[in-house]
Amino acid sequence: GAVVSQHPSWVICKSGTSVKIECRSLDFQATTMFWYRQFPKQSLMLMATSNEGSKATYEQGVEKDKFLINHASLTLSTLTVTSAHPEDSSFYICSAQTVSYSPLHFGNGTRLTVT
Amino acid sequence: GENVEQHPSTLSVQEGDSAVIKCTYSDSASNYFPWYKQELGKRPQLIIDIRSNVGEKKDQRIAVTLNKTAKHFSLHITETQPEDSAVYFCAAEGLTFGKGTHLIIQP
Repeated sequence: GAVVSQHPSWVICKSGTSVKIECRSLDFQATTMFWYRQFPKQSLMLMATSNEGSKATYEQGVEKDKFLINHASLTLSTLTVTSAHPEDSSFYICSAQTVSYSPLHFGNGTRLTVT
Repeated sequence: GENVEQHPSTLSVQEGDSAVIKCTYSDSASNYFPWYKQELGKRPQLIIDIRSNVGEKKDQRIAVTLNKTAKHFSLHITETQPEDSAVYFCAAEGLTFGKGTHLIIQP
């Protein structure tokens, strides 16, 4: 149980374009999902907390206009990287909890490469 | 906000020996401390967690200890095996991660 599906697993896009990443909880409802960014050999950096039916909460230093998060249902959160630039190239990973203060269930991650 | 420090960043041990990874946290109100294992190119997977009402928890070769007074918790892996090689992350409240420890098991 508690499976999180993330798509796409990898994407290559041109500089200036936008990319949407989907995160779905397959067998549970997630009122809260989390989006992380991970650089090679580094830790998971929390970007934002996605709340179903309300605005996302962004961590300090994360541009909310660049990383648009939508949590339209209890099973789907999307992250859109707008006007992508090469420095946005990274591994983006989402997670969700069945209840607060419980293990995070991670998606498989999305490798974004901006050329 | 919460701050989590994790040490060491790299740990190399002989197969069969024990490995210990330590984390400290800053927010005394934190109550939940999971550990995740991430193999190269894969998603992090929970291996063990502990809550603040418990001082120690064990699951076969893996154990976690928590000292709330000192605000630190540790992961202990005994009888290490090659498949234990991975990056391990601690987290406080499940959301703030340490920087990770690359565990290398030498055959």
